[in-house]
Amino acid sequence: AQSVTQPDIHITVSEGASLELRCNYSYGATPYLFWYVQSPGQGLQLLLKYFSGDTLVQGIKGFEAEFKRSQSSFNLRKPSVHWSDAAEYFCALDTGGFKTIFGAGTRLFVKA
Amino acid sequence: ETGVTQTPRHLVMGMTNKKSLKCEQHLGHNAMYWYKQSAKKPLELMFVYSLEERVENNSVPSRFSPECPNSSHLFLHLHTLQPEDSALYLCASSQRESYGYTFGSGTRLTVV
Repeated sequence: AQSVTQPDIHITVSEGASLELRCNYSYGATPYLFWYVQSPGQGLQLLLKYFSGDTLVQGIKGFEAEFKRSQSSFNLRKPSVHWSDAAEYFCALDTGGFKTIFGAGTRLFVKA
Repeated sequence: ETGVTQTPRHLVMGMTNKKSLKCEQHLGHNAMYWYKQSAKKPLELMFVYSLEERVENNSVPSRFSPECPNSSHLFLHLHTLQPEDSALYLCASSQRESYGYTFGSGTRLTVV
C-alpha cells in the first residue's frame, strides 16, 4: 500500500537548536518526495523535493532533507531553528497520475 | 500578480445557499487542483484538471461542482452543503504532475 507517515504530531524545539522532522513512506517504485510548510491561515509552500540523484536535497529557508531508500525515510532538517519556522510541516509522496499522498503533518513549536 | 490567488478568503454560507470559490494562477501551469483540509484529517484531493480537462474526481459529493474555463482559472461551485463540509479549501497548480504544487492561501468555509 502507498502511504506517508509522519510519526510526530507535534515537536517543540528551542530557538537556535537543530531540527529533524521524520517522514516514512511506503511505495513500490522510485518515490517522488516533497516537504511543504503551512503557516496559520495560509496555504502550503513547497520547501524542497526529491526526484532522483543526490540523496541530500537543499530547499528554501535553510532546510534540507535526506532520502534514505533502505529506511524508506525522507527526514527534514534544519541546523538552527528560528521563531518564524513555527508552522505545520507536511511530507508528501507523488504516486503519479496527478495523485499525491500527504502525511498528517507535524506541528512545530519554537520556544524562546 | 504572481502565484495562486483564491477568493474569497472567508465564506459563511447557509445550507441552502449557492456560492462559488475562485482560483486563479499566473504561473503558466497546466494542471490545477482542489484540495479539502479539515481539522485532524489529511489533505483530501477533490478534483484535478490537466489542460482544462478533468482527470480526477475523487468520489466527491455532487454538491461540489468544479469548473475550469481555461488554464488559468478554476472554480468550485457549492450548493446545499452540510455542516461537515466546513473546512479550508485549497487550490493548487503545477507545471506537470510530479513537479510539486504551488498552493493558494485557501478559502475558509463555514456552513451554518
